[in-house]
Amino acid sequence: AQSVTQLGSHVSVSEGALVLLRCNYSSSVPPYLFWYVQYPNQGLQLLLKYTTGATLVKGINGFEAEFKKSETSFHLTKPSAHMSDAAEYFCAVSGGGTYKYIFGTGTRLKVLA
Amino acid sequence: NAGVTQTPKFRVLKTGQSMTLLCAQDMNHEYMYWYRQDPGMGLRLIHYSVGEGTTAKGEVPDGYNVSRLKKQNFLLGLESAAPSQTSVYFCASFGQGNYGYTFGSGTRLTVV
Repeated sequence: AQSVTQLGSHVSVSEGALVLLRCNYSSSVPPYLFWYVQYPNQGLQLLLKYTTGATLVKGINGFEAEFKKSETSFHLTKPSAHMSDAAEYFCAVSGGGTYKYIFGTGTRLKVLA
Repeated sequence: NAGVTQTPKFRVLKTGQSMTLLCAQDMNHEYMYWYRQDPGMGLRLIHYSVGEGTTAKGEVPDGYNVSRLKKQNFLLGLESAAPSQTSVYFCASFGQGNYGYTFGSGTRLTVV
């Protein structure tokens, strides 16, 4: 069985500050891990993904995430927040032959001017 | 543009009415999924399909049925709509080697 926990349903940061969105997962098989972003009234867009190999993954818009197996974590970071980063972010885990994704409950990021 | 197309984008139903949501993809993907998104609950898997002619239940299948008669289409049906089915529905497809879903833009359904 797989599950995802996103700590903090709402996160506020000042423009230019570090963004840190937390994701912990549980998986009985080697996981594939994803971060998606959803802007208001839009669908989900893939930010980045971890499958195998390098544990530090770089994505679009300056975001990156590090897979830490020992901590079962896949936290999303960005060194300097922009107003345009305000959105809802979802972490997801997948594994096994059906490629089903299990999503976290989401973190809404607010960027303060 | 290649991708996943959902129709309709918006719909209001009365309790007890039926409807079908259509998902079409033109990427020759084998795997297709229907999720519902509710505030504070993230996305939950309703049904999915691993190929033409196959369907399987996800986390929250009750009240929904699906069909995958053609590889490119995945239909989600509500036989007797209930207010609890008010939600935003997303379809996604996946092709091996991509390691990432392609999502449709969603269908906002309100049941009154």
